[in-house]
Amino acid sequence: AQKVTQAQTEISVVEKEDVTLDCVYETRDTTYYLFWYKQPPSGELVFLIRRNSFDEQNEISGRYSWNFQKSTSSFNFTITASQVVDSAVYFCALSFLRMDSSYKLIFGSGTRLLVRP
Amino acid sequence: DTAVSQTPKYLVTQMGNDKSIKCEQNLGHDTMYWYKQDSKKFLKIMFSYNNKELIINETVPNRFSPKSPDKAHLNLHINSLELGDSAVYFCASSQADRDGYTFGSGTRLTVV
Repeated sequence: AQKVTQAQTEISVVEKEDVTLDCVYETRDTTYYLFWYKQPPSGELVFLIRRNSFDEQNEISGRYSWNFQKSTSSFNFTITASQVVDSAVYFCALSFLRMDSSYKLIFGSGTRLLVRP
Repeated sequence: DTAVSQTPKYLVTQMGNDKSIKCEQNLGHDTMYWYKQDSKKFLKIMFSYNNKELIINETVPNRFSPKSPDKAHLNLHINSLELGDSAVYFCASSQADRDGYTFGSGTRLTVV
């Protein structure tokens, strides 16, 4: 069965620290997609990144970087030099193809990040 | 223009009432979804429609009935509301997973 695990329920850091949010996924599919979403206190879900299972290249976008390792089924997210505005709940998600050829997106339980000034 | 829009943003209602939440997307996506986020922030899929056809129904009580009049709209009707239905409901759309998933801003439902 497919599953996404975010073992860190809550992380608290001081501004300018680097922080890594862990994500471990389970799937037997060879084709799947991994996502990260940010949910700030205002409540909306903000798309951060999408990665397909065949692309293990790490990605950097400004202060954000992602490390995808199929060998450990992990898709970790690092924020460098964290800022107070990074405070939010971050969700890792997995999309996979069902037998009826539809895609299904499932979420991890989220990691609440608090960045203190 | 908002890509996925939900109305209303907030909904407070009494137990036993019937209510609807509307969702519209202007992205031309074929597939739309309803997700429920509970008080602990768990996000769980409820329904998925592809070109107006129901393709995912995740063991949701019969009191919840999605309706898709066309592929740009997916409404959620809830009968006989219960306290446990209080949550944030998110609508989303995608195009065969090609472009990822776009979420609406959510509808916070409070049943009192």
